[in-house]
Amino acid sequence: AQSVTQLDSHVSVSEGTPVLLRCNYSSSYSPSLFWYVQHPNKGLQLLLKYTSAATLVKGINGFEAEFKKSETSFHLTKPSAHMSDAAEYFCVVSYTGGGNKLTFGTGTQLKVEL
Amino acid sequence: GAVVSQHPSWVICKSGTSVKIECRSLDFQATTMFWYRQFPKQSLMLMATSNEGSKATYEQGVEKDKFLINHASLTLSTLTVTSAHPEDSSFYICSAHDRTITDTQYFGPGTRLTVL
Repeated sequence: AQSVTQLDSHVSVSEGTPVLLRCNYSSSYSPSLFWYVQHPNKGLQLLLKYTSAATLVKGINGFEAEFKKSETSFHLTKPSAHMSDAAEYFCVVSYTGGGNKLTFGTGTQLKVEL
Repeated sequence: GAVVSQHPSWVICKSGTSVKIECRSLDFQATTMFWYRQFPKQSLMLMATSNEGSKATYEQGVEKDKFLINHASLTLSTLTVTSAHPEDSSFYICSAHDRTITDTQYFGPGTRLTVL
C-alpha cells in the first residue's frame, strides 16, 4: 500500500520569503513522487517529479524538492514566494508495477501575502 | 508540453438523466487514462483506470454501472454518469499517461457537474 501525508493543510507566507510545503510518504516499493499545483478553475500542473535518479529535483517556477529516504520525506521548497504561487499543492506517490496509479495527498493551500 | 482537454468544462443536468464527459490527449497517444473525482476543498480520488481497447478497472466502492467508461481510441476516453443524482455533483478530472516520452500523467482542466 502507498500513501502520502501532507502535514499542513494551509501555509501562509509573505511575498519574497521562502516556501516549505511538507510531505511524507509511505510505500512498500521504490516510489515515484510528484508535486502538482492546482490553481483555481485550472487543471493540475506538474511541478516536478522524482523517479530514483538525483535526490534533489528541480522543477518549474523555481520550485525544488529533496527525496530523503531515511525520513520518508519529499518536501517542496522555493527560496522566494511570488503572489502567483498562491494555489493548492498536492504531493503524489506512485510505484513501478502499480499500473501508474497515483495516490494524492490531501493538499496544502498556499497563501502568499504582500 | 503535453495537453489534455476535457469537454464540457461544466454541465448542469436534471436528476435521472445521463451525462457524458470527454477526455482527449491532444498531442500524444495514451493507452491509459484515469478518471478522478474531487469534492470541494478535498483531494482527488481515483475512480477508475481506462485502458484503450479493454474494459476499465474500477476502484473499490465505485459503481461500474453508474460510471461507464469507454476508451475507444488512443486519444479519447469518455465517462458517462448514468441516471445522475444530486450526490453525483462533483468535479471530475481525467488524466492521460504519456508512456513513450515523459512517462508522466497529464491532467485535464476538469468538468464541473451539477445535478439538480
